[in-house]
Amino acid sequence: IAGITQAPTSQILAAGRRMTLRCTQDMRHNAMYWYRQDLGLGLRLIHYSNTAGTTGKGEVPDGYSVSRANTDDFPLTLASAVPSQTSVYFCASRQGLNTEAFFGQGTRLTVV
Amino acid sequence: GIQVEQSPPDLILQEGANSTLRCNFSDSVNNLQWFHQNPWGQLINLFYIPSGTKQNGRLSATTVATERYSLLYISSSQTTDSGVYFCAHNNAGNMLTFGGGTRLMVKP
Repeated sequence: IAGITQAPTSQILAAGRRMTLRCTQDMRHNAMYWYRQDLGLGLRLIHYSNTAGTTGKGEVPDGYSVSRANTDDFPLTLASAVPSQTSVYFCASRQGLNTEAFFGQGTRLTVV
Repeated sequence: GIQVEQSPPDLILQEGANSTLRCNFSDSVNNLQWFHQNPWGQLINLFYIPSGTKQNGRLSATTVATERYSLLYISSSQTTDSGVYFCAHNNAGNMLTFGGGTRLMVKP
């Protein structure tokens, strides 16, 4: 089934550890995004990539990094996790800036 | 950037009732989507509707970009409609930006 796959589904992580959240899409979409959703709040953009080889900062980029080596994959790395990064992380993709976006199932991350 | 306000923030309905959810924008929008986040946290695409009206079963949506609003209609609500409804649009930087959501509970 075509779509966006995120891994892991959930993770408990010790503070200070490094963690990479994986996101893969098979729709050949140009643009990909990472959002975080904190309890009771809407989604906030962390980083984005409008096309393979390019990335940009969103609303809340501090403490996170991304790479876009190819069209399909857009990993999000927490270099040294802190408890405030406890959240649900969603990856999304869309073909272009004025097209429909699709979301993965989310990764629930708890930093203790 | 463009501000997005969703109303109402919370809504409780009796099963079978109809409802209208609203998104207001501080400026005109050129790209708009409605999503349903179900109680399990999944974000489900409802409508991609930069303008005009679309219908899908009991749900329909209307966007009037020049008047800076979009409406989501839910008719004959069911308990499975419960969850949070988000609208999202492209901000000035063409990033998909979300409103705060409307939390809907449909009681049997």
